[in-house]
Amino acid sequence: GESVGLHLPTLSVQEGDNSIINCAYSNSASDYFIWYKQESGKGPQFIIDIRSNMDKRQGQRVTVLLNKTVKHLSLQIAATQPGDSAVYFCAETPYSSASKIIFGSGTRLSIRP
Amino acid sequence: GAVVSQHPSRVICKSGTSVKIECRSLDFQATTMFWYRQFPKQSLMLMATSNEGSKATYEQGVEKDKFLINHASLTLSTLTVTSAHPEDSSFYICSAQTSGGASEQFFGPGTRLTVL
Repeated sequence: GESVGLHLPTLSVQEGDNSIINCAYSNSASDYFIWYKQESGKGPQFIIDIRSNMDKRQGQRVTVLLNKTVKHLSLQIAATQPGDSAVYFCAETPYSSASKIIFGSGTRLSIRP
Repeated sequence: GAVVSQHPSRVICKSGTSVKIECRSLDFQATTMFWYRQFPKQSLMLMATSNEGSKATYEQGVEKDKFLINHASLTLSTLTVTSAHPEDSSFYICSAQTSGGASEQFFGPGTRLTVL
């Protein structure tokens, strides 16, 4: 079936260090992957996306890596700041439904001062 | 650009009553809108997909008679939780999408529903 899962439910990082959040997906036919950030009591906020024909994409302080061989996705946040504290979700769009976004279980990122 | 709003942001109701939640795309026309439900410390679960002018498509396990969806215009979709019960208490989030597909899908701020 369609599912996207995460390796760790929580991640604690020292302020200024880099954060790496991992995600495993099960649908090898998925075409499009997205990382979202959700702060408490708010809706998901788009961070970065990547299509299945790419293996890396960089944004401002964030990088997404896609390994289709092992169906693994990661989000790297450089120089983590207190404002990065949130729950991060990976999500996928199965090829069979180009619009439907399936969310993973989420990782809570906390920042130590 | 690409702002999606929801109203109300919070609602508390008594068990057995119905609650309507609105989702609006403020600066674009949304061909498709989606409704998600999120329980505490859990992920977003897609409830239904609605296209303007047609019936909504519900995900497996979601009761269409309990969660009524109306997508009357390209900027407005409503979710009505009928005969609400405490187990319906949740965070309801909508998203709106242009014809560009999932890469052009934008999320609302969510509505916190508490059923007493």
